[in-house]
This record gives sequence, C-alpha cells and structure tokens, in this order.
Amino acid sequence: DTAVSQTPKYLVTQMGNDKSIKCEQNLGHDTMYWYKQDSKKFLKIMFSYNNKELIINETVPNRFSPKSPDKAHLNLHINSLELGDSAVYFCASSGYNSPLHFGNGTRLTVT
Amino acid sequence: EDKVVQSPLSLVVHEGDTVTLNCSYEVTNFRSLLWYKQEKKAPTFLFMLTSSGIEKKSGRLSSILDKKELFSILNITATQTGDSAVYLCAVGPSTSGTYKYIFGTGTRLKVLA
Repeated sequence: DTAVSQTPKYLVTQMGNDKSIKCEQNLGHDTMYWYKQDSKKFLKIMFSYNNKELIINETVPNRFSPKSPDKAHLNLHINSLELGDSAVYFCASSGYNSPLHFGNGTRLTVT
Repeated sequence: EDKVVQSPLSLVVHEGDTVTLNCSYEVTNFRSLLWYKQEKKAPTFLFMLTSSGIEKKSGRLSSILDKKELFSILNITATQTGDSAVYLCAVGPSTSGTYKYIFGTGTRLKVLA
C-alpha cells in the first residue's frame, strides 16, 4: 500500500528518558514533516525536510533532533523527555501539487 | 506572522442541518488551501483548493476559496452523525520556498441524531 507509516503507534515512557519515532513514505514525495498535535487538536509544525535537507525548524527545543537518511525517511529522536512533550506526533509528506499525507500518529505519554 | 483562523471553534447541529465552516488566513504567496476531517486518528484529506472562486464538491461536502478576501468555506449539507469530527484548514506551502503548511485551530462539529 502507498502510505506514510510511522512507528511506534504508542509510546509510554518516564521523564528523562530518550525515545525515537520512525517515519517512512513510499509516495515519492520530496518533502516530509513532523507535526505535534496537542490535546485541543491543534497541529503545529515542528520540522520540514526537503530532499533530506532541513528547511524548517520551528523553535523546537534542541532535545528534539530530526534525521533524514534519505528522502523517504524522516525520524525524530527526543532526549530527556519532559511531561510537556506528551502529545500526538504526526509525520507527513507532500509533493509539488499534492496535499499533505499523514501517518497514523504516535501518541507519546510521558509520566 | 502567518496565521490561519477557523470559526466557529465548535458547533452542535441536528442530523439533516446544513453547516458552513469558515477559514480565514493571513498568509502570503501560498500554493494551496487544504481541508481535512479528523476523527480519532490521523486527519483525512477532503479538498485541495489552488485557484480562487473554484468550488470543489464531493457528495454532500463542498468548498470554495476566495483569494481576494482571504478566506475559504466548507459546506456540509444534510449532515449525518458520521460527520461529527474536527475539521481542519491548512494553508501553504509558501511559494518563497519555505516548505510548511500552517493549520488553523479546527472546528469541532457534533451532529446529533
């Protein structure tokens, strides 16, 4: 199936731990994104990559480090997790004349 | 600063009603405006509007973009309980090369049987 897939679906961890979320798209898109969605469903852009190059970094704490080994993959590593990092993280991709295609999200809970 | 504002924030209607959801924006030089429906999981794509004044229609849903007045509307006719969701509007990406879509806060629609 053509899609944006991200893993894991759920992540429950304690404060101070480090965790990673992986994302892959097989749509042939050049641009990939990480969005954070809060409890009120507001989607806020975190990072945007175009052809493996970082284009947007929206004042995200440097505990968050994205990595794009190739244009089909965009991973997110988070160091020293804090309670306020609890949210749903969506990976997405887009092409020149295509809308955003979302992964199914990763629900991160920090206790 | 680029901004997308949706109204109303929430709406409760009865089955069979018609609703109009609004999206206004202050974003310059963007390529497209997108509408999404979000239930419990990921946002699902509804419409992509790139030109002003063109109506996109799919069944009971339709949308139009007014680039001069900087807004878009999403209409849902003969609403059903399955239309209950958060509807999201997004604008972007900027044609200046900054690749991002900016989302509004969403409109939470509840349709009562």
